[in-house]
Amino acid sequence: DTEVTQTPKHLVMGMTNKKSLKCEQHMGHRAMYWYKQKAKKPPELMFVYSYEKLSINESVPSRFSPECPNSSLLNLHLHALQPEDSALYLCASSQGSGGAYNEQFFGPGTRLTVL
Amino acid sequence: EDQVTQSPEALRLQEGESSSLNCSYTVSGLRGLFWYRQDPGKGPEFLFTLYSAGEEKEKERLKATLTKKESFLHITAPKPEDSATYLCAVYSSASKIIFGSGTRLSIRP
Repeated sequence: DTEVTQTPKHLVMGMTNKKSLKCEQHMGHRAMYWYKQKAKKPPELMFVYSYEKLSINESVPSRFSPECPNSSLLNLHLHALQPEDSALYLCASSQGSGGAYNEQFFGPGTRLTVL
Repeated sequence: EDQVTQSPEALRLQEGESSSLNCSYTVSGLRGLFWYRQDPGKGPEFLFTLYSAGEEKEKERLKATLTKKESFLHITAPKPEDSATYLCAVYSSASKIIFGSGTRLSIRP
């Protein structure tokens, strides 16, 4: 299985809602990533988990809260988001988090709209 | 400051018309350079990894090359299904992953 899955595909939420994005991979990868991508822009790295520990947090606002329950799952909890947070949220995984193993495999993304 | 620049921003080709996309980088130690293809509304699809100057990799109509300052993605005799945004990303010795802004490639039948 060489696939990264993300749910839901689309999410519409109000600014007072709490929601979660989910990501799953069964490739035995030990690093997982969250990216945010605005239209016609490259992906922006948000968080990196390496061996289930948060290793990189790119100064993301606290209204985004990542969680890695185990090596196959990655969640992104959302609370009190702003309309400017509307974007495509991408999850990726790689065999490791450095060196020759940083080829990342991306999921299809969750299209988030904040009203 | 680490930087990745892709050119051109957009490229329109006729089917069968070969061309090259450029990715220039300035990083504090290159640990890997990656090429991805992204279709609208979807996640990037991994194409190639290059690690050292002089390295080349091929896949169907695509060929990626690497020098100490830049990488090229050569597209030979492209077909309409090759239309997509091509992203270059660099992994630096500071453990940073930096994406370029991409080249939007359009192939006309």
